[in-house]
Order: sequence, then C-alpha cells, then structure tokens
Amino acid sequence: DAMVIQNPRYQVTQFGKPVTLSCSQTLNHNVMYWYQQKSSQAPKLLFHYYDKDFNNEADTPDNFQSRRPNTSFCFLDIRSPGLGDAAMYLCATSTTRPEEEKLFFGSGTQLSVL
Amino acid sequence: QKEVEQDPGPLSVPEGAIVSLNCTYSNSAFQYFMWYRQYSRKGPELLMYTYSSGNKEDGRFTAQVDKSSKYISLFIRDSQPSDSATYLCAMQTDSWGKLQFGAGTQVVVTP
Repeated sequence: DAMVIQNPRYQVTQFGKPVTLSCSQTLNHNVMYWYQQKSSQAPKLLFHYYDKDFNNEADTPDNFQSRRPNTSFCFLDIRSPGLGDAAMYLCATSTTRPEEEKLFFGSGTQLSVL
Repeated sequence: QKEVEQDPGPLSVPEGAIVSLNCTYSNSAFQYFMWYRQYSRKGPELLMYTYSSGNKEDGRFTAQVDKSSKYISLFIRDSQPSDSATYLCAMQTDSWGKLQFGAGTQVVVTP
C-alpha cells in the first residue's frame, strides 16, 4: 500500500546531540510537511517543501532544519536538541490537485531528550 | 484566543452510544473543514473532509459545518471500543492553505 513511512518510531538523544529523523513516501506527492506535536496539543507546522522549494514557518526555531534530496524522502535535523524539543514529530504529504488536497500522515517519531 | 478551540475531554461513552464532538473557530475565512482520528502514538488519519457549510455523511460518521456560527461538529453513531482515540478538527482558508488544527478531544468508548 502507498504510504508515508517515518523512521525510527522512537528516538532517544542526549541534550545538545544532533539528531535526524527521516520520512519517505510512496504516494508521489509533491508537498511534504513536518509537524511537531506535544502531548495533548495540536500539531504545529514547522516547515514544508513544495517540490524543492522550502517554506519555513516564521516561529520555527533555527535549531530545526530540513532536507529533501528527492521527491520520496525528507529529513528533519535538530542541531542541538533541548529538553523542550521532546515531542512527536509527524511527517505528512499532500498533492496540490484541488480534489486531492488532503494531508496524509506517517505514524510519527517520538523523540525523547535526556 | 486560539484560532480553533476544541474541548480536550476525555469524553467517555458506553458502546453503542452517539459520540458528539465539536470545534469553534474565530477566522471567518476558513472554508475547508476536516476531522482527523489519532490513535495513541500514531499519526492522524483523515476521517471527514467538508467544503463550506452543510452536512456530510460517511457510514457511521456525520460532519456538520455551520459557518454562520463558526461551529463544526462530528457525530459517531453506534460507537465501538475501536473508536476510542483523539479526534482533531482542522480547517484552512483555501484548498492550498495552512491547516489550523484544534488540540483534539480524547474519546473513550467503554464496552
């Protein structure tokens, strides 16, 4: 089945130690998103790629970076994780065809910072 | 004031009952309205997608949008324990716009 796959499901890192989360998709969608979701809170959009064009949200900290080497893959890099960065990180995709403008989410990566 | 308000719950109902969920919003420009279901430690999955005002039905699920009151609802008929999850409402101003989520309502359906 076509889907959005995130690896790893659980990631533990140390305070200040860089970490990379990965996302792949078989939907061939041109838009990919990264969301941060803390417990009992709404998902918060960090940034998105429209094809190769990167779009950062104004309030996304510089500590968060992203790479999209091709249509299928997208990475979230956290350069120096702090305790406040512990959260679920969700990757999502969509097309821009109006009748299909819906988000498809991966299962998420739960990040713990020690 | 948050742009989208949603009661966090938990909302506990017996199996077979109707689950009633709702969200209110402040931005009158929202036109596209969605409901997502999120199981514990999983990503959200789309349940219902509605454009503008009106009702939409899909199996046991009914979504209602009242733009004049800035109020949307989701009803789940004949609820099952497998419906136990967090339900997130989401909305956007146009088909290519940033999705604004509510914080989610936790639903527990007891056998």
